[in-house]
Amino acid sequence: EDKVVQSPLSLVVHEGDTVTLNCSYEVTNFRSLLWYKQEKKAPTFLFMLTSSGIEKKSGRLSSILDKKELSSILNITATQTGDSAIYLCASFAGGTSYGKLTFGQGTILTVHP
Amino acid sequence: DAGVIQSPRHEVTEMGQEVTLRCKPISGHDYLFWYRQTMMRGLELLIYFNNNVPIDDSGMPEDRFSAKMPNASFSTLKIQPSEPRDSAVYFCASSGTRRTNEKLFFGSGTQLSVL
Repeated sequence: EDKVVQSPLSLVVHEGDTVTLNCSYEVTNFRSLLWYKQEKKAPTFLFMLTSSGIEKKSGRLSSILDKKELSSILNITATQTGDSAIYLCASFAGGTSYGKLTFGQGTILTVHP
Repeated sequence: DAGVIQSPRHEVTEMGQEVTLRCKPISGHDYLFWYRQTMMRGLELLIYFNNNVPIDDSGMPEDRFSAKMPNASFSTLKIQPSEPRDSAVYFCASSGTRRTNEKLFFGSGTQLSVL
């Protein structure tokens, strides 16, 4: 069974801090890894990573995939209160399970002023 | 595009009643997913469709749950009979063609409470 594990499960920081969120996966026919941010309701897409070692950046957020270690990290620098959310990573499967997206349990990030 | 549309937004029902959740995916998307989210278990994939055909329903908890996709623009998730442990947020999501479908677009979810 495909499995995605995130750590920590929750994190409380102050504005301006830098945080690193971790994601590890055990997936048959791994194809890509995705990061989502969930605030009030539906998750919204952040990054998709398919190649190992290539960093993706969007403003203060960045992410990288390590296929050798079967893991990914999401970094947020100079955190703001608006970054408070649940951050989800998900593995996308290929092969006979093509299309299947398995989510981790999420990291709840709280940023205090 | 209006995005993925789910209805109802909230549903409160009594144990034993039938519940039907509805979803309209983004026009042109080939894949449709139903997820359930709880604090304890996070986001769980229940079932997904490709071109209206169910591909993997191994996440459907039990026979009380069923899902259909009669056409490319509509899907339902039915729970009959409902139980309090079914209380959760149910998300529908869709994605595009095989070349681009890793990125899922989620609906706003249905908050289901079974009393």
